[in-house]
Parts: sequence; C-alpha cells; structure tokens
Amino acid sequence: NAGVTQTPKFRILKIGQSMTLQCTQDMNHNYMYWYRQDPGMGLKLIYYSVGAGITDKGEVPNGYNVSRSTTEDFPLRLELAAPSQTSVYFCASSPGTGYGKLFFGSGTQLSVL
Amino acid sequence: AQKITQTQPGMFVQEKEAVTLDCTYDTSDPSYGLFWYKQPSSGEMIFLIYQGSYDQQNATEGRYSLNFQKARKSANLVISASQLGDSAMYFCAMREGINDMRFGAGTRLTVKP
Repeated sequence: NAGVTQTPKFRILKIGQSMTLQCTQDMNHNYMYWYRQDPGMGLKLIYYSVGAGITDKGEVPNGYNVSRSTTEDFPLRLELAAPSQTSVYFCASSPGTGYGKLFFGSGTQLSVL
Repeated sequence: AQKITQTQPGMFVQEKEAVTLDCTYDTSDPSYGLFWYKQPSSGEMIFLIYQGSYDQQNATEGRYSLNFQKARKSANLVISASQLGDSAMYFCAMREGINDMRFGAGTRLTVKP
C-alpha cells in the first residue's frame, strides 16, 4: 500500500536549472494536487488535476508546469529555477467525490542556490 | 482574502492536559469540509479529523475532537490528554469545492513533560 509516492526527497538546484518532481499514486484517485510549503508557513496550491488530460492553475502557478497523461502520474516541472522556489513540495491525491481528505506524499525538499 | 485563519503561531501545554487550537474560516459556500492535519518534525502531513458543513454533531477521533461553531465560522481542534508525541505543527484546512484545499498558516504545539 504505497499511497502517494514522490521523488526525489531532496534536491539542490542551481539558479536557471530545470527539473521535474515526480508524483505517482496507486489509489486510482481522480484528483491530484501540487502544493508548496515555505518555511514556517502553510501549504499553497500550485496546480491541480481532476483527471487525465485535465489540469488547472492554483494559487501560485508561476514558474511551474504540470501534465497528467495517466491517472497515476502527476509530474511538476520547474523551468529556470529561482531562489524563490526554494521550498518543500507536496503532492496529494483524493477521490473525485465529496469533500474527502487529501492523501499526501512525503514531500520533496528543494533548494535553489 | 485569507480563507483560513489560525491566530496562535505557538502554543504550550503540559503533558496530560487538554489544549485547544483555534481556527476560523471564511466562505459563502453552504457546502464545505473542514480538516485538521498534523505535521511532525519529520515533515509528513498526517490527517487527524474531518467535519462536514452539514454535520450536526462535532467530529471526534480518539483524543481529537473538533469544536464546530458554524455561525461563528470556527473549527477549533481540541486535543485531550496531551502526549509528548503531540508536539508538532497543526494545520487547519477547508475544502469548498472539490477542487482544492486551502490551509491556514499553522500552530506549533509544544507539549511539556
């Protein structure tokens, strides 16, 4: 019972580099989300998806891109990394009905130097 | 406008005592869900308790209860018989639509022996 799996757990990027944060879930959930958590703060929504092929922007989408080609996978792409993107990134999923809880991955700690 | 407000950046409680963590929310949607998550120092997000806007009774889960006052738009978390392992960040969150969940800034709880 893996749940939501994120890779990598830690990453250091140089300014201007790009990378993809991977997220996969094995619960057949339709809804998937990417959040970022800055030090000492709550989580802010970057992007979300309500199903394969459908994505939409959240509160803080600038500097990021997503795709959803399968139900299981929801990668987050950082283009031209900036120090302001230093954060902990959480992927989450939920079933498509009701106001159910979100299931979270263990997070990716990203530093941009 | 801030949707979720947690006014206590930090709280201290003596072991075995009860503690209340405050949360107020703002919505005009009659249908919503309220959640509390715990984030220990290891960083993962742990779901604690859920309250639906139409639920007549306050939610309880073991030592956790949610004091839901709909007219005041408040959803305080009560932890009874605090344990050292309860020391963590606690986040209140609300889900209005089925699309995303918004989080408060969190309260850091420290349980003293």
